[in-house]
Amino acid sequence: AQKVTQAQTEISVVEKEDVTLDCVYETRDTTYYLFWYKQPPSGELVFLIRRNSFDEQNEISGRYSWNFQKSTSSFNFTITASQVVDSAVYFCALSEARANDMRFGAGTRLTVKP
Amino acid sequence: ETGVTQTPRHLVMGMTNKKSLKCEQHLGHNAMYWYKQSAKKPLELMFVYNFKEQTENNSVPSRFSPECPNSSHLFLHLHTLQPEDSALYLCASSQGPGLAGLNEQFFGPGTRLTVL
Repeated sequence: AQKVTQAQTEISVVEKEDVTLDCVYETRDTTYYLFWYKQPPSGELVFLIRRNSFDEQNEISGRYSWNFQKSTSSFNFTITASQVVDSAVYFCALSEARANDMRFGAGTRLTVKP
Repeated sequence: ETGVTQTPRHLVMGMTNKKSLKCEQHLGHNAMYWYKQSAKKPLELMFVYNFKEQTENNSVPSRFSPECPNSSHLFLHLHTLQPEDSALYLCASSQGPGLAGLNEQFFGPGTRLTVL
């Protein structure tokens, strides 16, 4: 069975601080996909990144970076120089290649204070 | 319209009412999903449709009845709901479930449902 754990329920930082959101997953499949979504107060989930299980190369996109480590089954997300607009709930998700669905973690609520 | 749209955005209904939520995707996708997001709970997958056929039903009570007339439209019919059914209902679509690299789901803005 697939499972995603986001142990941090809420994080609060001050603007310009760096913050890392943790994600640990469980799966028996060798082929799977990991995702991060952002849910701002408007409610709509916004796709941020997809990573397949064969690509452990870390990725950087502007102030966002992702660290995928299969050895620890983790897919952590770091925001550098956080901004107030980064305040949202962030979800990590896992989809196995043969599955019909996507399993989400409980989400981490990030608050960035000015 | 682009992406995934949902109507209505907000809905208040009594326990004896019958209402329907509508989802439409303009992305040419073949799979559509209903999720329930309650306060303090993870996103719960309710139903999955692949090429208009229901492929998943995660033990959802029968008072929720999905309908997928075509690959672009998905409905959730509601009847005799309970107050605990109050939640944000999110619709999503993807190009195809279970296909390598195509599992990315695009979400609509959701319908905020309140059951009195």
